[in-house]
Amino acid sequence: EDQVTQSPEALRLQEGESSSLNCSYTVSGLRGLFWYRQDPGKGPEFLFTLYSAGEEKEKERLKATLTKKESFLHITAPKPEDSATYLCAVQAGNAGNMLTFGGGTRLMVKP
Amino acid sequence: DAGITQSPRYKITETGRQVTLMCHQTWSHSYMFWYRQDLGHGLRLIYYSAAADITDKGEVPDGYVVSRSKTENFPLTLESATRSQTSVYFCASSEPTQPQHFGDGTRLSIL
Repeated sequence: EDQVTQSPEALRLQEGESSSLNCSYTVSGLRGLFWYRQDPGKGPEFLFTLYSAGEEKEKERLKATLTKKESFLHITAPKPEDSATYLCAVQAGNAGNMLTFGGGTRLMVKP
Repeated sequence: DAGITQSPRYKITETGRQVTLMCHQTWSHSYMFWYRQDLGHGLRLIYYSAAADITDKGEVPDGYVVSRSKTENFPLTLESATRSQTSVYFCASSEPTQPQHFGDGTRLSIL
């Protein structure tokens, strides 16, 4: 059974204080690992897809990395507008287009 | 604008009643999905569809019915609502191997 565990569950940062969110996974043949951002009252918004160990993707203050067992979402010099819940999901090679989601990390950035 | 829309955004109903949540996408994506999001469980897949007239069960299908007569629509029906089905429901769509894109959800309360 595919499993995704995100840590920490919640993270409070001061504006400008860089940190990382973790996504650990076990999956039968990883096809892709996805990061989403979710704001209150909204649906998840796609950020990145990573396909193989060693791959990195960047967007503004966010950088996602992937190893064979986990992914990190690094947030550099965060701003209050980065406050959101960040979701990680995996797609297994034998699962068609289905995703298995982790529980998310709720990030709060204080000015 | 192209996108994915869910209706209604909010719904209150009583146990035993039938309720249908609507999902419409304008991208002509082949895949569509229904998830529920609950505290402590994250996003869980209820049903998905790979194309019109093709549907399959996800992780938590009991108590739900779906249909897909047209590519752009994927309604979710609770035939006899129970309190345990109180949740936020998200619809998503995608092309094969591509990221899923989500609607803004329906918040359903069952009294």
